[in-house]
Amino acid sequence: DIQMTQSPSFLSASVGDRVTINCKASQNINKYLNWYQQKLGEAPKRLIYNTNNLQTGIPSRFSGSGSGTDYTLTISSLQPEDFATYFCLQHNSFPWTFGGGTKLELK
Amino acid sequence: QIQLVQSGPELKKPGESVKISCKASGYTFTDYAMHWVKQAPGKGLKWMGWINTYTGKPTYADDFKGRFVFSLEASASTANLQISNLKNEDTATYFCARGYGPDYWGQGVMVTVSS
Repeated sequence: DIQMTQSPSFLSASVGDRVTINCKASQNINKYLNWYQQKLGEAPKRLIYNTNNLQTGIPSRFSGSGSGTDYTLTISSLQPEDFATYFCLQHNSFPWTFGGGTKLELK
Repeated sequence: QIQLVQSGPELKKPGESVKISCKASGYTFTDYAMHWVKQAPGKGLKWMGWINTYTGKPTYADDFKGRFVFSLEASASTANLQISNLKNEDTATYFCARGYGPDYWGQGVMVTVSS
């Protein structure tokens, strides 16, 4: 199974900050990496698919990059509604595996 | 609009069974696979497997072979997850999610197993 190591687990930031979240795969996942946002009690929302494709309706302050084993989600200027948990998913091969999640909190 | 609406929370005793549903709307149900994901309290997400909504063929991740069954009611655009012989470690929220690298997810169903 491909292991996904996500960092940091917790991130404290302020409105307007630029933040980055990382996922490292245990082997090449060929850019089949998605990013999701999850708020308490809600369905996860796909933000980015296949490394750097912005989901329709998602603000452009969200972006993704990476290749091989290393991937990054960047939020360019945090907004109040962005404080949530974020996780990555590799869908290069079964079994799909997730990063452990990053809880983004207001400083 | 596309929606996956899951059934309500369940409270079960060890050894019992539970069946949770995921009703899809806003798209052609058989055009997209349905995946299932487990999120135990305080834990990360774990992919359980998927069902081909066109053929009905299920595929299970290794940890979910035996007591877990994916099924369909295609005429009702509904996917189901049944768990038999429930154990305490099955306590979790279970999500359905549409398609490859899923774009839409259900809201999740909390299943609590407690004596």
